[in-house]
Amino acid sequence: DAGITQSPRHKVTETGTPVTLRCHQTENHRYMYWYRQDPGHGLRLIHYSYGVKDTDKGEVSDGYSVSRSKTEDFLLTLESATSSQTSVYFCAIGTGDGGGNEQFFGPGTRLTVL
Amino acid sequence: QQQVKQSPQSLIVQKGGISIINCAYENTAFDYFPWYQQFPGKGPALLIAIRPDVSEKKEGRFTISFNKSAKQFSLHIMDSQPGDSATYFCAASKGGYSTLTFGKGTMLLVSP
Repeated sequence: DAGITQSPRHKVTETGTPVTLRCHQTENHRYMYWYRQDPGHGLRLIHYSYGVKDTDKGEVSDGYSVSRSKTEDFLLTLESATSSQTSVYFCAIGTGDGGGNEQFFGPGTRLTVL
Repeated sequence: QQQVKQSPQSLIVQKGGISIINCAYENTAFDYFPWYQQFPGKGPALLIAIRPDVSEKKEGRFTISFNKSAKQFSLHIMDSQPGDSATYFCAASKGGYSTLTFGKGTMLLVSP
């Protein structure tokens, strides 16, 4: 998994509660990404970061916020979880190798919002 | 607007056969096209990638064919094996550190 860990790996929460997912990398890459994966939708980008304190929105950013206070950690927060945010969340790092944005993914977090 | 269209959604191939998955893109600024393989319960893993300066790239049993004029690219898996059974995603980006746009995925089952 290219030195990427995600925590927690599984979480069940209730509607309206805040949830924070953590992504940690050991390889000091500048670019980090959060995706969600849902059946029939593939992988959709939520937010990404191009450095400490530098973040930008992706395709499906509503209801999510991110923070990056250290190079190695990228946090995804669901401000007030809803059932539509039940999904599998993947973090990725971008290496910029291979002439393109080679991205390597973590193992994922399965989130269920009741 | 779906910028990368992937087909088929699912595919069943006999062991030893050729698996073919196709993707079409719309944005002519895309210049990096990777394929990812994902097993159940795991994160996607980069399988092979191509840039438009070549029409084909081969790594072992996996080949990407690229048609710039048609804005299409495809993954061919030769001598498909049951261990290849997984979900495959194509993607595209503008290169550098540009974000990836993914297709919706193809679930491949290789029957023994």
